[in-house]
Amino acid sequence: DAKTTQPTSMDCAEGRAANLPCNHSTISGNEYVYWYRQIHSQGPQYIIHGLKNNETNEMASLIITEDRKSSTLILPHATLRDTAVYYCIVRVRNNAGNMLTFGGGTRLMVKP
Amino acid sequence: GAVVSQHPSRVICKSGTSVKIECRSLDFQATTMFWYRQFPKQSLMLMATSNEGSKATYEQGVEKDKFLINHASLTLSTLTVTSAHPEDSSFYICSASAPGNNYGYTFGSGTRLTVV
Repeated sequence: DAKTTQPTSMDCAEGRAANLPCNHSTISGNEYVYWYRQIHSQGPQYIIHGLKNNETNEMASLIITEDRKSSTLILPHATLRDTAVYYCIVRVRNNAGNMLTFGGGTRLMVKP
Repeated sequence: GAVVSQHPSRVICKSGTSVKIECRSLDFQATTMFWYRQFPKQSLMLMATSNEGSKATYEQGVEKDKFLINHASLTLSTLTVTSAHPEDSSFYICSASAPGNNYGYTFGSGTRLTVV
């Protein structure tokens, strides 16, 4: 699976949009971009995933560049409960035998 | 959506004893489950891959005789930490995957193990 690079930490004001970048310059054509987050002392929680088109769900939006070498996770109106570590992972979808490899992630701190 | 139940959520045990952690897929069949360990302020590190009906595959540096994994059914995998020592104190998390699971992987809520 391709390696990802994320900033170590970010701050965001409550109510503002949080934009979390991820670089995955070695991504392969059949690899999806997945985002998970981990709130302190909990298991990771799925947020969103995409291949090449932008995606949106009730939690967030995922913007993938045309060359697919980077992506941005957008939390449109961050709340204090969004404070967590956000992991960007690229992998082949529906390959049940492949594990998820976690990098360091981005520690997002939402401040009042 | 797919739900993975993991318990206990936290356990304290004496050094030298064994602890079993259970991971169940509640509404889907998990052909493959993964066990991760996470130390404070660090990322998740894969310990082993558990396939139903076969032996687990351990990552380099993980002692298979110390961390026993059993995946006897499509809905249950267990991790037993044998002869636990204080350095085994960590946050253990399981994850399940199944063909067609649109989310890719679903994680349990984790088990905080403290060995005293």
